[in-house]
Amino acid sequence: AQSVAQPEDQVNVAEGNPLTVKCTYSVSGNPYLFWYVQYPNRGLQFLLKYITGDNLVKGSYGFEAEFNKSQTSFHLKKPSALVSDSALYFCAVRPAGSNFNKFYFGSGTKLNVKP
Amino acid sequence: GAVVSQHPSRVICKSGTSVKIECRSLDFQATTMFWYRQFPKQSLMLMATSNEGSKATYEQGVEKDKFLINHASLTLSTLTVTSAHPEDSSFYICSARGQGYTDTQYFGPGTRLTVL
Repeated sequence: AQSVAQPEDQVNVAEGNPLTVKCTYSVSGNPYLFWYVQYPNRGLQFLLKYITGDNLVKGSYGFEAEFNKSQTSFHLKKPSALVSDSALYFCAVRPAGSNFNKFYFGSGTKLNVKP
Repeated sequence: GAVVSQHPSRVICKSGTSVKIECRSLDFQATTMFWYRQFPKQSLMLMATSNEGSKATYEQGVEKDKFLINHASLTLSTLTVTSAHPEDSSFYICSARGQGYTDTQYFGPGTRLTVL
C-alpha cells in the first residue's frame, strides 16, 4: 500500500534557527515528491518538488528539501526560520505508473516559529 | 502562473438543499482536476478525479450521486453537493493539473461549506 508519513504533528522552532519537517514514504517505483504549505482557511501552496536529478531541491521562500532514496525520505528544511513560516506543511507523493494522477498526502505538520 | 480559483469561498445552506462549487484554472488549461475534502486538523482526502469531457473517477467510499462532478471545459470543474446534510460540512479544495504542468497539482483556496 502507498503511504506517506509525517511523524511530527507539530514542530516548534525559534526565529532565526534552522528548521526541519520530516517526511518518509512507502510507494512503488520512483515517486515524484512534493511539499505544500497551507495557511489557515486557505488552499495549499506549492513549495517545491523532486522529480529526478540532484537530491537537494530548492523551492519557494527559501525552503529546500533533500531526497534520500535509501531512507525513502524527503525532509523539508530552511536554514533560518521566520515567524511568517508558521503554517501547516504537507508532504505529498505521486507514485510512478498507473496511479500517476493520484497524490498521497501525509497527515501534515504544524510549524510554529516563535519570535 | 498556475493560479486556481474557487467560488464561493464560504457557503452556508440549509439541510436538504444542493450547493455548487466552482473550480477554475485561470492561466492554464487543466486536463485533470481533483476534488479533496479536508476535516479540521486533518490531511486532504481525495474524493474524485475529473478529466475534461469524461466522467469523474470517484475514490472508494465517495457517493457519486451525492457529489456530482462536471468538468465541462479545460478551465472549469464543478462539484455539486446534492441534498446536503450537516455531516457534509467541511472544507472542500480543488486542484488542477495542466498540460504544461504534468506533474504538479495547483490548488484552489478552498470552500468552507456549512450545512445547518
